[in-house]
Amino acid sequence: AQTVTQSQPEMSVQEAETVTLSCTYDTSESDYYLFWYKQPPSRQMILVIRQEAYKQQNATENRFSVNFQKAAKSFSLKISDSQLGDAAMYFCAYRVNNAGNMLTFGGGTRLMVKP
Amino acid sequence: ETGVTQTPRHLVMGMTNKKSLKCEQHLGHNAMYWYKQSAKKPLELMFVYNFKEQTENNSVPSRFSPECPNSSHLFLHLHTLQPEDSALYLCASSQFLTGSTDTQYFGPGTRLTVL
Repeated sequence: AQTVTQSQPEMSVQEAETVTLSCTYDTSESDYYLFWYKQPPSRQMILVIRQEAYKQQNATENRFSVNFQKAAKSFSLKISDSQLGDAAMYFCAYRVNNAGNMLTFGGGTRLMVKP
Repeated sequence: ETGVTQTPRHLVMGMTNKKSLKCEQHLGHNAMYWYKQSAKKPLELMFVYNFKEQTENNSVPSRFSPECPNSSHLFLHLHTLQPEDSALYLCASSQFLTGSTDTQYFGPGTRLTVL
């Protein structure tokens, strides 16, 4: 069974600083996708960034980037120039390619941003 | 309305009540999902519908009964629930494109409290 682990239940960062959220996963598959979702207090899960496992280049979306280490099965999220609006729960998720469309989520990391 | 909407946003019910949760997606997607988000637990996938057909039932108790009359609407019928069923119920939709970056988009959730 695939599992996704987020070892940091809570993180805090000073506004304008950089923070990295960790995610590791366990799988025997070689073709899969990884996602980071953000869930603010409004509860709506929002896609932050996604990564195809076959791509070596790390995905970036504005201030958000990932460090994808396939051999280590690690998929961390880096948030640069943190803003107050970045405060939320962040979930890492995994999906196997060509095996339906089921997402497996990690337990989440609560990010607090200090002004 | 745009995106994925869910009604009601909050629901309190007794163990003997029957209620339904509604989800509607305005994205032209073909797949819809129900997730359960409990405190201190990862998101749990409950049901998946692709093109109105149920393709996943993740060992969900029969007191939860899904219904998908078309690709835009998804219901979760609830009856004789238990207090431990209190949780945030999230609906999601996706295009369902295997072999690609099929991404799920989430609604704001229904906060369910079972007394």
